[in-house]
Formats: sequence, C-alpha cells, structure tokens
Amino acid sequence: EIVLTQSPATLSLSPGERATLSCRASQNVASYLAWYQQKPGQAPRFLIYGVSNRATGTPARFSGSGSGTDFTLSISSLEPEDFAIYYCQQRSDWPRVTFGGGTKVEI
Amino acid sequence: QVQLVESGGGVVQPGGSLRLSCAASGFSLSAYAMHWVRQAPGKGLEWLTVIAADGRDKKYADSVKGRFTISKDSSENTLYVHMGSLRVDDTAVYYCARDLRRIADYYFDLWGQGTLVTVSS
Repeated sequence: EIVLTQSPATLSLSPGERATLSCRASQNVASYLAWYQQKPGQAPRFLIYGVSNRATGTPARFSGSGSGTDFTLSISSLEPEDFAIYYCQQRSDWPRVTFGGGTKVEI
Repeated sequence: QVQLVESGGGVVQPGGSLRLSCAASGFSLSAYAMHWVRQAPGKGLEWLTVIAADGRDKKYADSVKGRFTISKDSSENTLYVHMGSLRVDDTAVYYCARDLRRIADYYFDLWGQGTLVTVSS
C-alpha cells in the first residue's frame, strides 16, 4: 500500500497569507495525485487532479505541483472560506487508492 | 441540479448487515464509474469500492472484500452498497462519489453528503 504523509498536521495562518501544504508518497506515484478540501460536517470537495489540474470551480489561487514522491498544494492568498482540512490522494496504485492523513489550515 | 444523496445509515449490531443507497440526480450513473468512500469519526478517508459505468466491473478494498457488495439500478439512477458481517471498526460516515470519468480514473469529482453507520452492540 502506498502511504501518503501530509505535513504539517496543522498550519496556522491569517487571511491573505500564502499556504504551502506538503504530501509525500512512500513510492513513486508519477503524476497521479489529487487534492480535496473538507470543512467540518461536510463532504470532501474535489480541488485538483493530476498534480496540477484544477477541477471545475476551483479558484485560481489554488495550485498544485510536484512529481514522483513529493507534492505541494499552494494557496496564494488565503480567503476566509479556505480554512479547512486538505487531503491528498493517489490513484497510481489503483484500485489500492489511498489518502493522506490531512492538513488542517486554521486561522 | 447535479447531486448525490445517500440514505440508509443507522445503528447495527456487530455481525449485522445494512444496505446504503445513493440517489443521483442531474446526470446518469450509466455515464460514470461510481465509488463508495468512508471516513471513521475524526479520521481520514478510505476508498472502499468502485463499479464501472456499465456495471460489469467491480473492485473492492481488502478491508471490505467478501463483506461488501456494490451495485446499481440504472432505471432508478441509484447506487447501492450492501454491507455484511459488520464490525465495530466499520463505524464511519459513508460517502458515494462520482468518478471524474466513465472509465474509472479514481478521482472523485462529486460527493454526496454522507450517511453515518454505527456498528455497536
């Protein structure tokens, strides 16, 4: 099973600041990585797939980068609605799809 | 409106069974692969199972293989998962999720609101 390790566990920032979230895979996942946002009591929301492709409706302030085993989700300038938990997910080893443990972005 | 609405969750005893439903609207289940994903309380996400757009191919995570069965009714545009031999560690919110594509790409672009299953004596 491919393990995805997200860091930091919690990121404390203010609106307007830049957020940088990391996701490290235990094996090479090539470019088969996605990011999701989840707010308390809500379902996850699809943000980015294929490392850097924004899903429909994802604002341009969200961007993804990386390849192989190291990936980054960046939020250029945090809006109040961006404070949430973010999960990375690999589909390289389908159907043994796995998710990271999440990074909480808090105010 | 494009959406997924799950139902069928509740409290069940260990060893029991339950069937969850996921009603799709605004799109046809015949056009997308569909998945179930769960989230234990306070924990992360776990992929469980997928059914192909044509319903022919199904795959399962090792944790539920032999206990869970995915199916769908295209005429009702509804996805199901039958869960048997339930264990305490199956307690979670269960989400149905649409695949980004017709052929399973294992990216989940639309999620239901989730339904809580509690396995407890």
